Amino acid sequence: EADIYQTPRYLVIGTGKKITLECSQTMGHDKMYWYQQDPGMELHLIHYSYGVNSTEKGDLSSESTVSRIRTEHFPLTLESARPSHTSQYLCASSAGARDEQFFGPGTRLTVL
Amino acid sequence: QQQVKQSPQSLIVQKGGISIINCAYENTAFDYFPWYQQFPGKGPALLIAIRPDVSEKKEGRFTISFNKSAKQFSLHIMDSQPGDSATYFCAASNWANNLFFGTGTRLTVIP
Repeated sequence: EADIYQTPRYLVIGTGKKITLECSQTMGHDKMYWYQQDPGMELHLIHYSYGVNSTEKGDLSSESTVSRIRTEHFPLTLESARPSHTSQYLCASSAGARDEQFFGPGTRLTVL
Repeated sequence: QQQVKQSPQSLIVQKGGISIINCAYENTAFDYFPWYQQFPGKGPALLIAIRPDVSEKKEGRFTISFNKSAKQFSLHIMDSQPGDSATYFCAASNWANNLFFGTGTRLTVIP
């Protein structure tokens, strides 16, 4: 069982609210990722990090932002949520760029 | 542009049958090809992976077949079981890139 945690698991909020999705891993992995997964199942990389103080944008443009102040923590923030942000957000980590990615259980976000 | 194309989108197989999921890629620089399995309400988990120096890798009932010249790879699940019912994602990467995932295949194994 991978030691990567996401909170909350489910979140329903109104438009315009600021939200932060939490992701923590206890494996000491340098690389961390955020994916967006729509009901159609496809995974889209929206952010990743090589390590502390490193953040990069992924293949899918996203209005969210991320930070990496500590190795184990990689939170994702939406400053003003909109219905178009409704989706599942998956966090993952790996020891290196081509090592196994361990995924968290996901946060299912609904913006009304 | 979809870096990895996966088919079929959904698959229904009888218990004991063989499930086959296919993927194709264009980027010849890819050199790592994992398959992930995702159950409802869970994140994906690595199932099996292959590098292009071999044409086949088997782990229990799961086999990856890799055709470098055709730029295709497939997952075979032998003796499929109801517990195998899940969504399967192929992926590809090289040292410079993150993983590119396929669109997923929802497998249902009927008892």
